[in-house]
Amino acid sequence: GQQVMQIPQYQHVQEGEDFTTYCNSSTTLSNIQWYKQRPGGHPVFLIQLVKSGEVKKQKRLTFQFGEAKKNSSLHITATQTTDVGTYFCAGNEGNTPLVFGKGTRLSVIA
Amino acid sequence: ETGVTQTPRHLVMGMTNKKSLKCEQHLGHNAMYWYKQSAKKPLELMFVYSLEERVENNSVPSRFSPECPNSSHLFLHLHTLQPEDSALYLCASSQGIRLAAYEQYFGPGTRLTVT
Repeated sequence: GQQVMQIPQYQHVQEGEDFTTYCNSSTTLSNIQWYKQRPGGHPVFLIQLVKSGEVKKQKRLTFQFGEAKKNSSLHITATQTTDVGTYFCAGNEGNTPLVFGKGTRLSVIA
Repeated sequence: ETGVTQTPRHLVMGMTNKKSLKCEQHLGHNAMYWYKQSAKKPLELMFVYSLEERVENNSVPSRFSPECPNSSHLFLHLHTLQPEDSALYLCASSQGIRLAAYEQYFGPGTRLTVT
């Protein structure tokens, strides 16, 4: 079945450093979504990308969807302690339900 | 906070017990989901209901039985669970019936421990 691979599994950064997590699919995706889950919390929707090559920004967060619609990335500039959590990508083909990646757990050291 | 509530928030049950998890969404959404989240396999989709019809069942053991009486409520009935079923069970909802075209709103989850 469809799989969405996400790397790295863990990332520890000093506050102020940048952070990137990558998402890859073996199949072409219809769209990709990103979620953030704070420790002890539940996943919260961040953004959805639909178009090939799409780039969207939310303050210090930059989201990209690859030209082939098989990969995506989330980049955080100048991390802050409030960025701590697990970032999940989720993609789908056609009208099938979203398949979530395993997530990247981000730790920020002050 | 998110418009999706789950009860109970914590549940400890023995392997011979029968219990139910409840989810309610106040967002007017048409689709509801059950996910299992554990350390080994984060965010496994279990069941999807769209307009109260089950449209996805990801080979979940029969000891888990979902029920969707209306578009606002979703239940997960549990019986004769195994210790490996201990996990966080998350409910989510989304707008519309094109399942992945819309963002999902998650509830706070039920932390289940099977002893």
